[in-house]
Amino acid sequence: GENVEQHPSTLSVQEGDSAVIKCTYSDSASNYFPWYKQELGKRPQLIIDIRSNVGEKKDQRIAVTLNKTAKHFSLHITETQPEDSAVYFCAARVISNFGNEKLTFGTGTRLTIIP
Amino acid sequence: DTAVSQTPKYLVTQMGNDKSIKCEQNLGHDTMYWYKQDSKKFLKIMFSYNNKELIINETVPNRFSPKSPDKAHLNLHINSLELGDSAVYLCASSQGLAGGHHGELFFGEGSRLTVL
Repeated sequence: GENVEQHPSTLSVQEGDSAVIKCTYSDSASNYFPWYKQELGKRPQLIIDIRSNVGEKKDQRIAVTLNKTAKHFSLHITETQPEDSAVYFCAARVISNFGNEKLTFGTGTRLTIIP
Repeated sequence: DTAVSQTPKYLVTQMGNDKSIKCEQNLGHDTMYWYKQDSKKFLKIMFSYNNKELIINETVPNRFSPKSPDKAHLNLHINSLELGDSAVYLCASSQGLAGGHHGELFFGEGSRLTVL
């Protein structure tokens, strides 16, 4: 089945600097790659996603890039702020053993913004 | 109005007991999910229902039995609880299958299960 690896597991960044989180996936059939943010004690929420027909997508301070050939995608956060501190999950959509599609999540990155 | 709500939020119980967690969504979505989030924060899908039909059933012990009485509800019953079942159980819903055209997952706040 699909395997999604995420690095680093923890990341500390000075406020105002940029943060980059990287994910790799194993199934070349994957075609949808969302990123979820989970603040402490809260539910995961979608912050940005990218489909395989696009190489890059940006939404204000957040951008995601996708390299289909290398099977990796990255989340970039610029001008980081304290409220960016959270656990971030990447995910890839694959076909499950029931023949239906499901999201496989990466192992998460705990991002801490240092004031 | 809470979009995806789970009860209870916290559950502490003894090994060997049977317990249930309930989930309801008021978004009109047709697909619901149970995810398990362990102490390391790993998110693993357990089950998915589309229009009340089971469509994803990952390698989960058969002590775990989901039930979807209607599109808006997905419950999880766990028999003979074990220490390793301690985790946060997250319910989610989406319109269509995850990653589809409207495939954003909306999660509940989670139910923290502690087995002593």
